[in-house]
Amino acid sequence: ILNVEQSPQSLHVQEGDSTNFTCSFPSSNFYALHWYRWETAKSPEALFVMTLNGDEKKKGRISATLNTKEGYSYLYIKGSQPEDSATYLCAFNRNRDDKIIFGKGTRLHILP
Amino acid sequence: DGGITQSPKYLFRKEGQNVTLSCEQNLNHDAMYWYRQDPGQGLRLIYYSQIVNDFQKGDIAEGYSVSREKKESFPLTVTSAQKNPTAFYLCASSIRGLAGVGELFFGEGSRLTVL
Repeated sequence: ILNVEQSPQSLHVQEGDSTNFTCSFPSSNFYALHWYRWETAKSPEALFVMTLNGDEKKKGRISATLNTKEGYSYLYIKGSQPEDSATYLCAFNRNRDDKIIFGKGTRLHILP
Repeated sequence: DGGITQSPKYLFRKEGQNVTLSCEQNLNHDAMYWYRQDPGQGLRLIYYSQIVNDFQKGDIAEGYSVSREKKESFPLTVTSAQKNPTAFYLCASSIRGLAGVGELFFGEGSRLTVL
C-alpha cells in the first residue's frame, strides 16, 4: 500500500511568522508531486507540481522543495498572513499512468 | 469563467435510495475524477475517466456508478449498495488522463448525508 504522509496534522502560527511542513512519499518510484491549498468552503487549488529531484518552486511567499531520492517535499510559507489559513494537501504519483495518491493534509491556522 | 461545477452542494438521502451527484466542466479537459473525503482521511479515488465513453474504477468504487457520455459531464450515482455513503464528494478534472504531470482542477464539492 502506497502512503503519502503529511506532518504535522495541524499547525498554529502567529501572523508574520514563517512556517514549513512536510510531505513524505515512497522513494522507490516517482513521477510527480503535487501541492494543493484548500480553503474552507472553496475548491482545492494547485500550488505546485514538481517532477525533478532538487526542484524548487515559488509562488509569492510560498515555496516548495523536492527530494525524490529520500522521498520528501517541504512547503514553506514566509511571513504568514491570515489568508494562508487553509488545509495544504500533498499528492504523489509513481508514474504517468498511475493514480494520484493524496495525504491527509496539514491544517494551518494563522493567529492574528 | 472556466471551471468545474458540482451540484447539489448539500444533499440528504434516505437509506435505500440512489442519488446522483452532478459534475460539469467547461475547461475542455479530457480526464475527470471523483474523490471522497471522510474526516481524518485523505482524498480517496472512487472512479475516473480519461476520455469520453470510458471510465475506470478507483480504490473505493463499490456501491458507486458513473457515466461519461459527454466530455463536459461526469455524474456519480451513489447507490443503495454503498454501505457508508455519508461523506464529502469532490469532482476534479485534468488536461491529461490520470493527470500525468498536469494539476487537478476541483469543484467545490457535494456533501451527502444519509438519514
